[in-house]
Amino acid sequence: DTQMTQSPSTLSASVGDRVTITCRASQTIGYWLAWYQQKPGKAPKLLIYKTSSLESGVPSRFSGSGSGTEFTLTISSLQPDDFATYYCQQYNNYFTFGQGTKLEIK
Amino acid sequence: QITLKESGPTLVKPTQTLTLTCTFSGFSLTTNGVSVGWVRKPPGKALECLALIYWDDDKRYSPSLRSRVTITKDTSKDQVVLIMTNMDPMDTGTYYCAVSTRGYFGSWGQGTQVTVSS
Repeated sequence: DTQMTQSPSTLSASVGDRVTITCRASQTIGYWLAWYQQKPGKAPKLLIYKTSSLESGVPSRFSGSGSGTEFTLTISSLQPDDFATYYCQQYNNYFTFGQGTKLEIK
Repeated sequence: QITLKESGPTLVKPTQTLTLTCTFSGFSLTTNGVSVGWVRKPPGKALECLALIYWDDDKRYSPSLRSRVTITKDTSKDQVVLIMTNMDPMDTGTYYCAVSTRGYFGSWGQGTQVTVSS
């Protein structure tokens, strides 16, 4: 199994901050990584696929980078709507998710 | 517009079998490359992909749940069914179906809450 580890588990930030979430894979997954945003009581929403490709309709303040085993999701300037939980997902070897990063208002 | 909707029991007893149905529209599960998967979220835990079925009837299962899970499709009804046996309170959570074309899940259903309790 390919395990995905996100850090931090919780992140406190303010509107306008630049934040970065890291996702590490237990083995190389190439560029086969996606990021999702989930709000309480809602389904996950796809933000980024293939490491850095922005899903249609997703604001450009979201960006992704990385390769192999280490990946990052960056939000360049936090907006009130961005406070949520973020998950990475690898799809190189079956499909596994990270444990999530909860982005809280400081 | 792609939509997916999960249906099934909200409460099952331990050891019982859970059957969930995903009814979708806006795409066809006969189209090359399309797949539908089931993902669950236990309270306070991470998302977990349970199973995936492809347009050509190929199937993928979570290694840890393979012995308990079966996924099937009915393309005439635009439905995907998940069967999970020997349910346990640890299986409590929200169950989602989602569509994938390249391994990531682009559209999701609203989710259905399943509680396992006697």
